[in-house]
Amino acid sequence: ELKVEQNPLFLSMQEGKNYTIYCNYSTTSDRLYWYRQDPGKSLESLFVLLSNGAVKQEGRLMASLDTKARLSTLHITAAVHDLSATYFCAVDKGGSYIPTFGRGTSLIVHP
Amino acid sequence: GAGVSQTPSNKVTEKGKYVELRCDPISGHTALYWYRQSLGQGPEFLIYFQGTGAADDSGLPNDRFFAVRPEGSVSTLKIQRTERGDSAVYLCASSSYGQDEETQYFGPGTRLLVL
Repeated sequence: ELKVEQNPLFLSMQEGKNYTIYCNYSTTSDRLYWYRQDPGKSLESLFVLLSNGAVKQEGRLMASLDTKARLSTLHITAAVHDLSATYFCAVDKGGSYIPTFGRGTSLIVHP
Repeated sequence: GAGVSQTPSNKVTEKGKYVELRCDPISGHTALYWYRQSLGQGPEFLIYFQGTGAADDSGLPNDRFFAVRPEGSVSTLKIQRTERGDSAVYLCASSSYGQDEETQYFGPGTRLLVL
């Protein structure tokens, strides 16, 4: 059974600081996703990572994938309040397009 | 273009009643997914359609849950004899199957409360 673990589950940080969210998964997979969810809202896609060593960046967020370690990271650079949200990683079951989600990391950025 | 839409946005029902939740995917998307999200958790997979057929229904918790997609577009999730534990946000997502870079596009969800 595929398990996806994120840490930390809660993160409080100051504006301007850097931090990394980690996503570990238990079995081989072809595809990893990062999503953002604002309170009371639905999920918004951030990144799709397909191969070992893949790195994608959008604004202050950068995601990377190490398939050998079964690890993805979401790095936040110089955080701003607008980044406050819950971030989920999700991993497709091998050979399928059905993702298993982590529990999410709730991020609060303080001024 | 229009995103994924779901109706109703909120549904309050009594224990034992029957409910239907509707999902209208992005036009042209062949893949459609239903998830359930409880407070503080990530979305939990329920069922996946490819076209009209349920390609994987392994996430449905029991036989009270059923979903259809008769014409390969709109889908309805049906819950019989609702229980308080069914209370959650039900999310629908769609995508273009087979495109590696393709992600799932989520609807706003239906918040179901069973009293």
